[in-house]
Amino acid sequence: EIVLTQSPGTLSLSPGERATLSCRASQSVSSSYLAWYQQKPGQAPRLLIYGASSRATGIPDRFSGSGSGTDFTLTISRLEPEDFAVYSCQQYGSSPITFGQGTRLEIK
Amino acid sequence: QVQLQESGPGPVKPSETLSLTCTVSGGSISSYSWNWIRQPPGKGLEWVGYIYNSGSTNYNPSLKSRVTVSLDTSKNQFSLKLSSVTAADTAVYYCARMTYDSGYYYFDYWGQGTLVTVSS
Repeated sequence: EIVLTQSPGTLSLSPGERATLSCRASQSVSSSYLAWYQQKPGQAPRLLIYGASSRATGIPDRFSGSGSGTDFTLTISRLEPEDFAVYSCQQYGSSPITFGQGTRLEIK
Repeated sequence: QVQLQESGPGPVKPSETLSLTCTVSGGSISSYSWNWIRQPPGKGLEWVGYIYNSGSTNYNPSLKSRVTVSLDTSKNQFSLKLSSVTAADTAVYYCARMTYDSGYYYFDYWGQGTLVTVSS
């Protein structure tokens, strides 16, 4: 099983700042099979990024993904108030499908 | 617009079987893979299993002995059964569609989730 470890666990930033979230895999994952999701309290996750760097439909361009192999990054260039949420990475490079434990992005 | 909606009977007692159904509207169930994902309170997401429109299934090894996912294309529904539940199975259960597109796999549509509590 591929374990995804996200860091930091909690990130405290202010609107307008840049956020950098990390997802590290226990073994190499094809970039095609790495996705990022945003989840707000009481809501289902929402797809942000697939294929490590492709934005999903309707996702603002302040969200970007990068990385390969075992190290992947989600960057939010300039935080808006609605961006404060939990972010999770997910892989399907090999079964079982696994998720990271999440990074909570909170308002400083 | 594709929509997914979970439904189920409510609380479940320990050792009983948890049963949930996901109804898909706005699109055909005769493509894609149809998944169950759960999230214990305050914790991360855990993939439970999926079924393809062909009927083939894949389950999380940690749950495999207790899980069955089935498909009813005539009703545009798929279902989850999880047997011998314990308090550790208490979670919000989501149904979700996984899309395969040009070499990419991702969950693009999710239900709103339903909290299942295992308690005597």
